[in-house]
Amino acid sequence: GENVEQHPSTLSVQEGDSAVIKCTYSDSASNYFPWYKQELGKGPQLIIDIRSNVGEKKDQRIAVTLNKTAKHFSLHITETQPEDSAVYFCAASRDGGFKTIFGAGTRLFVKA
Amino acid sequence: NAGVTQTPKFQVLKTGQSMTLQCAQDMNHEYMSWYRQDPGMGLRLIHYSVGAGITDQGEVPNGYNVSRSTTEDFPLRLLSAAPSQTSVYFCASRLKLNTEAFFGQGTRLTVV
Repeated sequence: GENVEQHPSTLSVQEGDSAVIKCTYSDSASNYFPWYKQELGKGPQLIIDIRSNVGEKKDQRIAVTLNKTAKHFSLHITETQPEDSAVYFCAASRDGGFKTIFGAGTRLFVKA
Repeated sequence: NAGVTQTPKFQVLKTGQSMTLQCAQDMNHEYMSWYRQDPGMGLRLIHYSVGAGITDQGEVPNGYNVSRSTTEDFPLRLLSAAPSQTSVYFCASRLKLNTEAFFGQGTRLTVV
């Protein structure tokens, strides 16, 4: 069945450094790729998303890249801050489908 | 603007007891889903609904029932609680599948 693999499971960076989280999806028909941030004790919240008709999207310190040929997409956070510490989930879904498949999550620690 | 409201936030059940987790959204979204979140396993889909009166199974439906009598409400019923159902449960709603999912705050359920 469809799945999304996410790496790494844990990531620790120094404040000000960049963080990169990578995901691979199996369903070649997937065309919507959101990223969610989950802070402690809260539900996940969308931080950025990308559709298959673009290769890159940026929003301030956050960017997402998509390689449809390789079925990879990545989240890039620059100039990390302690408040970026959270669990990040990637996900994939497709038109005509009814399910969003989530990755297992990456716990990001940003050390001050 | 309440968004997605889940109740209760915490619950302890004895093995064999039944209960209903409530989920309500005020955004007039057609798509609603229930997920469970377990350490290292991300978000796994239990059941989903594409509109009032329509529900279907996700990846891990066993032991759970849902109904969707109105657009706003999507309750999740545990028929006979088991320790394996100890988890954090999230309800989510979307305007359409390939759009942002809005999550509730979660219900932390412990079955003893």
